[in-house]
Amino acid sequence: DTAVSQTPKYLVTQMGNDKSIKCEQNLGHDTMYWYKQDSKKFLKIMFSYNNKELIINETVPNRFSPKSPDKAHLNLHINSLELGDSAVYFCASSQDWGGRSGYTFGSGTRLTVV
Amino acid sequence: AQTVTQSQPEMSVQEAETVTLSCTYDTSENNYYLFWYKQPPSRQMILVIRQEAYKQQNATENRFSVNFQKAAKSFSLKISDSQLGDTAMYFCASAYGGSQGNLIFGKGTKLSVKP
Repeated sequence: DTAVSQTPKYLVTQMGNDKSIKCEQNLGHDTMYWYKQDSKKFLKIMFSYNNKELIINETVPNRFSPKSPDKAHLNLHINSLELGDSAVYFCASSQDWGGRSGYTFGSGTRLTVV
Repeated sequence: AQTVTQSQPEMSVQEAETVTLSCTYDTSENNYYLFWYKQPPSRQMILVIRQEAYKQQNATENRFSVNFQKAAKSFSLKISDSQLGDTAMYFCASAYGGSQGNLIFGKGTKLSVKP
């Protein structure tokens, strides 16, 4: 069983479109995250939810909107896609706050905007 | 702001030899955790090793060990008996037990293991 699963793994879309990336974890973790990895491989936090409550909302364009229907899911919706949104997006989860038990990552979604 | 710095963008090592990847961090927190993650070409993020700041003993996982120097805020990763499968990006990261619970990553070191 995959601990943190993201769909789709690859997403190619045109500028201006709206797309969603789904994430599910079956670990029973309380906290979920979205990270963005840019073309230089740098990883940066975008959002974090703890028990369905938004905790971290970094300086991200408001075209990006996370949604957590329950503790096991954290989806990322992106409106009006731009070329600069092309990146790999990682979902992650942790049992508690601060990483005492470590973080588990999904396999990433490579988004290409053309 | 908390930061993590990896000063070696790329490194290479011969198979079976030992290599050390450097990492320094900056924090005013007392309660924090340090990690090394491996990202092979498959792009999966794989936890290599984890260190709790309040533990003085250096963490070890098989061929991977760390040299944690708390006063110097240094957290280097040593890979012994390097294998071709160790070829990957390696990221040093920190997490804090306060209001911000997310991982803060360094920029990564690309390690190539040569036959």
